[in-house]
Amino acid sequence: AQSVTQLDSHVSVSEGTPVLLRCNYSSSYSPSLFWYVQHPNKGLQLLLKYTSAATLVKGINGFEAEFKKSETSFHLTKPSAHMSDAAEYFCVVSDLDNTDKLIFGTGTRLQVFP
Amino acid sequence: GAGVSQSPSNKVTEKGKDVELRCDPISGHTALYWYRQSLGQGLEFLIYFQGNSAPDKSGLPSDRFSAERTGGSVSTLTIQRTQQEDSAVYLCASSSYGQEIPNIQYFGAGTRLSVL
Repeated sequence: AQSVTQLDSHVSVSEGTPVLLRCNYSSSYSPSLFWYVQHPNKGLQLLLKYTSAATLVKGINGFEAEFKKSETSFHLTKPSAHMSDAAEYFCVVSDLDNTDKLIFGTGTRLQVFP
Repeated sequence: GAGVSQSPSNKVTEKGKDVELRCDPISGHTALYWYRQSLGQGLEFLIYFQGNSAPDKSGLPSDRFSAERTGGSVSTLTIQRTQQEDSAVYLCASSSYGQEIPNIQYFGAGTRLSVL
């Protein structure tokens, strides 16, 4: 069975500093991994997806994530945080055995201070 | 519209009443998913529809929950005899299953259900 673990429930950074949101996955085979973002009172928006074509995945709004099989990690990073990045971020794995339903991590709330 | 549309955006109901939540997927998307986002449980899968196949109902928490998808498009999630623990945001997603690798699910803004 697939699962994801988000290691931090809250992350706080200052505007202009780097962002690191950590995610580890568990899967018996090559997983389909995603990061979604949820702004307050908004729907979930896809940030990026891992397709196995490249281990470094670039997403929207300057975010990227690196798939590291040896560490079973898929951490989300951004070189310089912006105030508008404040939101909840979800690391997600697709259940390839079962209709591709999504299995969500518990989420990381990112706060950005001026 | 271009995205997944859900209605109502907010619903307040009294314990014991039935509610219906609607999802209008992206045109042409054959797969439709319902998820629930609640404080205690995080985001959890409820039910999945794909074309004319029997739905995957494995995530429905009780027999008070049911869903249908008419004409392969609009879906309605029904909760009967609502309980306070049903209070949550109900999210709908759709995808063009099999046409994107990996399969990408696009989400609506959700319906916030409050059971008093």
